[in-house]
Amino acid sequence: QQQVKQSPQSLIVQKGGISIINCAYENTAFDYFPWYQQFPGKGPALLIAIRPDVSEKKEGRFTISFNKSAKQFSLHIMDSQPGDSATYFCAASKGKGGKLIFGQGTELSVKP
Amino acid sequence: EAGVTQFPSHSVIEKGQTVTLRCDPISGHDNLYWYRRVMGKEIKFLLHFVKESKQDESGMPNNRFLAERTGGTYSTLKVQPAELEDSGVYFCASSPLAGTDTQYFGPGTRLTVL
Repeated sequence: QQQVKQSPQSLIVQKGGISIINCAYENTAFDYFPWYQQFPGKGPALLIAIRPDVSEKKEGRFTISFNKSAKQFSLHIMDSQPGDSATYFCAASKGKGGKLIFGQGTELSVKP
Repeated sequence: EAGVTQFPSHSVIEKGQTVTLRCDPISGHDNLYWYRRVMGKEIKFLLHFVKESKQDESGMPNNRFLAERTGGTYSTLKVQPAELEDSGVYFCASSPLAGTDTQYFGPGTRLTVL
């Protein structure tokens, strides 16, 4: 049972463009929604996270949009750069210290 | 501050053999998690320690997997005997009990079972 569904699996964007990755979840008890970025040979690293009491969070070029009623959230990368090329994972958890439930991952490639 | 470290970075073993993976969490982090990613699929939770106690082991696939965290510091994950489907990248993550919810991941151990 896939509790967090992520799309697309892969994404190619031109430098300067907007990258958008979408996730949908099933469990309404989830209360923490992080996005992780992973470069080859490295472990996932937290990029940005949101809680369901806000609809949007922005950090630099990265924005999470959150739609509680639709049980969906998305990552927007503005002015995408070749250095952003990586695998992105959305995740969800409930409660303090709860396990992360990950989406399938999106391989982003930003072309110069 | 040193990050989460994992050893070895790669391990290639034959079916039926035993392998032990080690994770050293960030100093002071009482939460320690094991996850696994198999062949391009999602990263799946295996288990969660709080200090030396197993808080949640609902993701452990079967009794061939044994996780320990002696003294609440480093953790080991033993697979005995290994099967072909155990191949994948095993990640360890840690977080503090109080404050941030961020889980900090190690670089992973790539396990290949032949």
